[in-house]
Amino acid sequence: QKEVEQNSGPLSVPEGAIASLNCTYSDRGSQSFFWYRQYSGKSPELIMFIYSNGDKEDGRFTAQLNKASQYVSLLIRDSQPSDSATYLCAVSPQGSSNTGKLIFGQGTTLQVKP
Amino acid sequence: DGGITQSPKYLFRKEGQNVTLSCEQNLNHDAMYWYRQDPGQGLRLIYYSQIVNDFQKGDIAEGYSVSREKKESFPLTVTSAQKNPTAFYLCASRDPSHTEAFFGQGTRLTVV
Repeated sequence: QKEVEQNSGPLSVPEGAIASLNCTYSDRGSQSFFWYRQYSGKSPELIMFIYSNGDKEDGRFTAQLNKASQYVSLLIRDSQPSDSATYLCAVSPQGSSNTGKLIFGQGTTLQVKP
Repeated sequence: DGGITQSPKYLFRKEGQNVTLSCEQNLNHDAMYWYRQDPGQGLRLIYYSQIVNDFQKGDIAEGYSVSREKKESFPLTVTSAQKNPTAFYLCASRDPSHTEAFFGQGTRLTVV
């Protein structure tokens, strides 16, 4: 079992729809969770991070964390063609508070069609 | 502007040759990281350093070496022992609170 799993997609949604991206992790002691967006050939950029159970909203983006079920999700409202990219889920595993290590999923490719 | 600079953007390596990828940051971050990304894959950790003159192996360190002689610099050498080095290499740093990881623009290495 991979430590951080994502459906590689592609996930295709029409413009204006809600895109839902999911991520599961195996380390129950994981502490913090990150969503990165990566355009083709570019480096990842942070969209959101979340530490506590529940929802965290930032503009069109909402991160949801459920530690009991060991999953974290990202919702993108009013999806735009410019949102088309690969979305990487990253997790800080237990014991990584000093090292700052992150474990990444393989990413989900999102396609927003006009 | 503060950030991380990787060079070169593209690098070609011949069989049996060692090559060094540069990573420089002016964010004053202690922690720096090297990741490898293969097509359709996530990022895998090669090496990381939390402080000058100290570094640790990540998950896929075989065939790679690093140094951390200055806080600002964390170069990665891909040695001839790395049998499949063609990949996208990303350098990152994190602030002490370990919130955001900042990435360089990456180096795409190809074996010719």
